[in-house]
Amino acid sequence: GAGVSQSPRYKVAKRGQDVALRCDPISGHVSLFWYQQALGQGPEFLTYFQNEAQLDKSGLPSDRFFAERPEGSVSTLKIQRTQQEDSAVYLCASRRTGEGDSGNTIYFGEGSWLTVV
Amino acid sequence: AQKITQTQPGMFVQEKEAVTLDCTYDTSDPSYGLFWYKQPSSGEMIFLIYQGSYDQQNATEGRYSLNFQKARKSANLVISASQLGDSAMYFCAKCSGNTPLVFGKGTRLSVIA
Repeated sequence: GAGVSQSPRYKVAKRGQDVALRCDPISGHVSLFWYQQALGQGPEFLTYFQNEAQLDKSGLPSDRFFAERPEGSVSTLKIQRTQQEDSAVYLCASRRTGEGDSGNTIYFGEGSWLTVV
Repeated sequence: AQKITQTQPGMFVQEKEAVTLDCTYDTSDPSYGLFWYKQPSSGEMIFLIYQGSYDQQNATEGRYSLNFQKARKSANLVISASQLGDSAMYFCAKCSGNTPLVFGKGTRLSVIA
């Protein structure tokens, strides 16, 4: 596609429910990032993939958060047993090149807005 | 730790005037990249401009320019001839080598007619 596509755009989940957020990066992009953005804050890094390899998951806040990119394109962020503090916008981003390249632009999707009630 | 500081939570500017949004950063990396993104109320992060740490000249993209002062570790965004559509959150971000993009807390810009 022309840009990074995320779905669903909006999700309301009951506390304790599992949710899955999908990201379609720009076609051919090697790197894929997930960020969490709380209301009024800047995005916080969650995890990074280079192709299908998850190279960095240091930002995942707990073992309830899990991400995968099995074929090196589409990625899914899964949150198990959601809590109210998980309410945030989840942003996916992609970059044409891989690790070690700080110069290539990172493009973001419109985000998935999660509200846990 | 990589840290990006945006000291202005909110800024107002008159339409058609220029405005500067401040950004300073911590780093011990010899090579890094600095980015500015615009986030309107729709939520999408829109890439505006990029500055590489070894670039000799300040980056410019249309009405956006980056005032890069390497010794002071600052990368201020200048928006010239502000338009009503420029009203949004603006984020400064940095990445280097194997470190993912790190963002500041953002500045909310309001353009007044």
